[in-house]
Amino acid sequence: DAGITQSPRHKVTETGTPVTLRCHQTENHRYMYWYRQDPGHGLRLIHYSYGVKDTDKGEVSDGYSVSRSKTEDFLLTLESATSSQTSVYFCAIRMTSETYEQYFGPGTRLTVT
Amino acid sequence: QKEVEQNSGPLSVPEGAIASLNCTYSDRGSQSFFWYRQYSGKSPELIMSIYSNGDKEDGRFTAQLNKASQYVSLLIRDSQPSDSATYLCAVIGPGATNKLIFGTGTLLAVQP
Repeated sequence: DAGITQSPRHKVTETGTPVTLRCHQTENHRYMYWYRQDPGHGLRLIHYSYGVKDTDKGEVSDGYSVSRSKTEDFLLTLESATSSQTSVYFCAIRMTSETYEQYFGPGTRLTVT
Repeated sequence: QKEVEQNSGPLSVPEGAIASLNCTYSDRGSQSFFWYRQYSGKSPELIMSIYSNGDKEDGRFTAQLNKASQYVSLLIRDSQPSDSATYLCAVIGPGATNKLIFGTGTLLAVQP
């Protein structure tokens, strides 16, 4: 899993509560990504970061925000969780600026009740 | 039309056979193509990347790219039960090097 850890690995929360997922990497990779995976939709990009404090939106960014205050951590926040945000969330890194391969962390399973 | 399309399967092959997994993409300008393997309950694992037309081989895996037909495939030779997983095709379109677009995956079942 490319030296990526995600926390928590599992979380159950109630509708309307804020939730923050953490992605941590130890190898100073510049690019980091958040995806969600849902049956029938596959993996979809939520947000990505190309450096400290540099982030951009992906395909399904509504309802999510991100922050990257240091190279090793990329946080994904659900400001007010909804049942439609029940999903498996994966963090990924891109190891070099010259190639485009992305490597995934172990994932966080989030259930919003 | 979906940007990246795969047959959801399941594709069932006997042990020792060649498994052929296919993927089509809609953006003719796409430059980079990837195959990931995902076991149930696990994260996607990159197994092949291909950037130019033709074949690329790595062990039992061969990726094939045909940009004119907008088609990329993955062949798995001497399929093993441990190859049973969902295989995801992913594409990076032109001018969007940070946006990996995934297909919904093909479930492969290798029968012992």
